Parts: sequence; C-alpha cells; structure tokens
Amino acid sequence: EAQVTQNPRYLITVTGKKLTVTCSQNMNHEYMSWYRQDPGLGLRQIYYSMNVEVTDKGDVPEGYKVSRKEKRNFPLILESPSPNQTSLYFCASSFGTSGSFYEQYFGPGTRLTVT
Amino acid sequence: KNEVEQSPQNLTAQEGEFITINCSYSVGISALHWLQQHPGGGIVSLFMLSSGKKKHGRLIATINIQEKHSSLHITASHPRDSAVYICALLYSGAGSYQLTFGKGTKLSVIP
Repeated sequence: EAQVTQNPRYLITVTGKKLTVTCSQNMNHEYMSWYRQDPGLGLRQIYYSMNVEVTDKGDVPEGYKVSRKEKRNFPLILESPSPNQTSLYFCASSFGTSGSFYEQYFGPGTRLTVT
Repeated sequence: KNEVEQSPQNLTAQEGEFITINCSYSVGISALHWLQQHPGGGIVSLFMLSSGKKKHGRLIATINIQEKHSSLHITASHPRDSAVYICALLYSGAGSYQLTFGKGTKLSVIP
C-alpha cells in the first residue's frame, strides 16, 4: 500500500530534550516536506527536500533541522525543543521536481507537546 | 509574501446542497492544491491545478490564473463531505518548491 508513515504519532517531552520525528514513504517520491499546523495559523511549511541531499527552508525553519540521506526517509530533528514548538506536524511527499506539479501524499500527523 | 484568503471560514449546508468554497491570492503562482482535512486530522489531496478545471466525482475545482482565484465546488453534498477544505499555493522555480496555505473552510453538512 502506498503510504507516508510518521513516528511517533504522539509525543510529550520536556524543554531542551532533543527529539527526532521520522518520516518514510514507499512511493519513490523525489519531493518530501514537513509542515506544522497550529490553531488560527493553519498549515505552514518548515523544510522541504527536492531529492537526496537537497533540502531547503520553508516559512518557519527556526528551531528545526532535517536531513535527506535516503530517498525514502526525511526525519525532522528538534535539537532543543521549546514550548512554542508544541504543534501538530505533518510530513508529505510527491513526485516531481521544479516545473512539474503532482498531488502530495500526507502522513497521519504527529502531535507534539513540549512542556 | 503571497496573501491567501479563503471564504467562507465556516459553512453549514443541508444535505444535497451545492457548495462553493473560494480561494483568492495576491501574487502569481505555479499551481494550486485543494486539500481535505478529515475530523480525525488526516489530510488528503483532492486536486492539483495549474489552469482550467478538474472534476472528480462530485467535486469540481476551477482556477482563473489572471484573476488569481480558485473555487472548489461540491455537488449534491453529503454529511461525509463534512471536513476542513484548505487551498495551498505552490511556488516553483529555480530549485524551489514552496507551499503557502489558506486557513481553511470548515464545512458541516447536515442530514
């Protein structure tokens, strides 16, 4: 089954404790992206990747890191989480590079609470 | 920075009604997504448009690039259409591929 998986689905952590949210897709997609969703602000793009070893900032990259060492995986790293990073996080993937436009497939979401 | 405006913010409809959700933006884009977010939180891509019109079942999406406006129509609405509908603007070029999202339209369809 074609899918995007995220782990963990729910996470409660404390300020400053490094964490990683994993994202994996089995569709051989070039493009992957991370978003956060907050009440009143909607979805906002954090980072995206056009292919292996190619990543770029979205609208809200501060406090986050990403890496794309393999095509299928795109982990989101919070080196020192803070309470303002409490949010619902989505990973997504699609075919396509610049100039081509395809629908995005979203993961189920990770609800992160930082106390 | 592109401003994205969706209207209405909230919409309640009777089952069977024809529904229109609008998305307007201020700067030229490469393409536009319509997304559906279920009450449980999952997000599904409905359409990707760069011009004209697309239809899938009871859903129709249109885009007018010159007027910077897109609409999502639902014919013969059903309670299972109750969800949040989000438009997302795609900017692509020179190695970039960025998305900017509207705040969503919450649709409730009453039996």
